[in-house]
Amino acid sequence: LAKTTQPISMDSYEGQEVNITCSHNNIATNDYITWYQQFPSQGPRFIIQGYKTKVTNEVASLFIPADRKSSTLSLPRVSLSDTAVYYCLVDSGGGADGLTFGKGTHLIIQP
Amino acid sequence: GAVVSQHPSRVICKSGTSVKIECRSLDFQATTMFWYRQFPKQSLMLMATSNEGSKATYEQGVEKDKFLINHASLTLSTLTVTSAHPEDSSFYICSARVAGVSSYEQYFGPGTRLTVT
Repeated sequence: LAKTTQPISMDSYEGQEVNITCSHNNIATNDYITWYQQFPSQGPRFIIQGYKTKVTNEVASLFIPADRKSSTLSLPRVSLSDTAVYYCLVDSGGGADGLTFGKGTHLIIQP
Repeated sequence: GAVVSQHPSRVICKSGTSVKIECRSLDFQATTMFWYRQFPKQSLMLMATSNEGSKATYEQGVEKDKFLINHASLTLSTLTVTSAHPEDSSFYICSARVAGVSSYEQYFGPGTRLTVT
């Protein structure tokens, strides 16, 4: 079971780029890395998923080094509405193995 | 696409009663659904894995007789909290994986806030 470690909290300002790094030292060969965003009293929302190198979509980029022991979620030009908790999840697919959420990173965006 | 709903969104019940929470995949079939519990300012904790047509698999420390899970169809899983106590008050969230593909994505429901008085 791949355990993840993230900073508990981060602060930034509107318009800045924010990078949140997650460590997952014992990631397995068939594991994918997924990042979720959660607002209070809501279910997590899928942001991005990747296996290696770089993945980009309309809201974020995900950087994964060759050893895959960490990953970095990059949010370009954040706004106040990006204030939320961000979780990285190492997922082996299929059943419940690998569905242990870490503590998440509470990102606070200030004006 | 890939929308998961939960019903109810909020429920208040008296101690000792039972409460049923429904989780539905609205536009896809889900072979596997997961139930999580989240206490205030804490992370999600996986309670059980629900597979269509078979018994649920519970995580260590989760009482299967107290949290009854039924996955009767490819679009519906239910969680019943039996003989609820105030300490069962929490935010319950379900998620689903798309059936038929090697899927690494979970689609989460909006959550159900349970308050036991």
